[in-house]
Amino acid sequence: RKEVEQDPGPFNVPEGATVAFNCTYSNSASQSFFWYRQDCRKEPKLLMSVYSSGNEDGRFTAQLNRASQYISLLIRDSKLSDSATYLCVVNTARRALTFGSGTRLQVQP
Amino acid sequence: ETGVTQSPTHLIKTRGQQVTLRCSSQSGHNTVSWYQQALGQGPQFIFQYYREEENGRGNFPPRFSGLQFPNYSSELNVNALELDDSALYLCASSLAGGGDTDTQYFGPGTRLTVL
Repeated sequence: RKEVEQDPGPFNVPEGATVAFNCTYSNSASQSFFWYRQDCRKEPKLLMSVYSSGNEDGRFTAQLNRASQYISLLIRDSKLSDSATYLCVVNTARRALTFGSGTRLQVQP
Repeated sequence: ETGVTQSPTHLIKTRGQQVTLRCSSQSGHNTVSWYQQALGQGPQFIFQYYREEENGRGNFPPRFSGLQFPNYSSELNVNALELDDSALYLCASSLAGGGDTDTQYFGPGTRLTVL
């Protein structure tokens, strides 16, 4: 079983749609949680950290459920520029980030 | 931009050769982590250096080795290259006090192809 599991997609959605990504992690000792965004053939870029209380940054909302070991990302009012791969990331060992394989999003006009 | 730079951007090697990849961390950061990203996969942790000492290692063989210099720049060395080493190699810099890892910022990566 992978330490961090994501639905690989692709998710094909029209502009303006709301889309949600889910992620589960296996290590209950995980301490920090993030969503990174990666464009094709580029480096991952931090989208947002994820906190137990849930947090929002503009059109993006992240939620963490420690009991279920589940992380989610909601994107509202999708833009063409949101097309990318979204990586669920967990800091498990205090030194290493553990990445999921990513969920690909394609926003269509 | 993150201020993390890597060189070279692309590299082609043949099996059995050795390669050195370089990373300059963001100003003020003291920790560098290296990751390998194969096509279609998420990055996999190779190792981390904090103040010139290895501070953690992933499930990679000893032919993957590294260094961190006093200015916190870093090198990743891979000996006896194998075809499966073909990947995007990413370095990430962060500021840590030796405890929990803080937010990591990635460089643009080096794309290595092994023929």
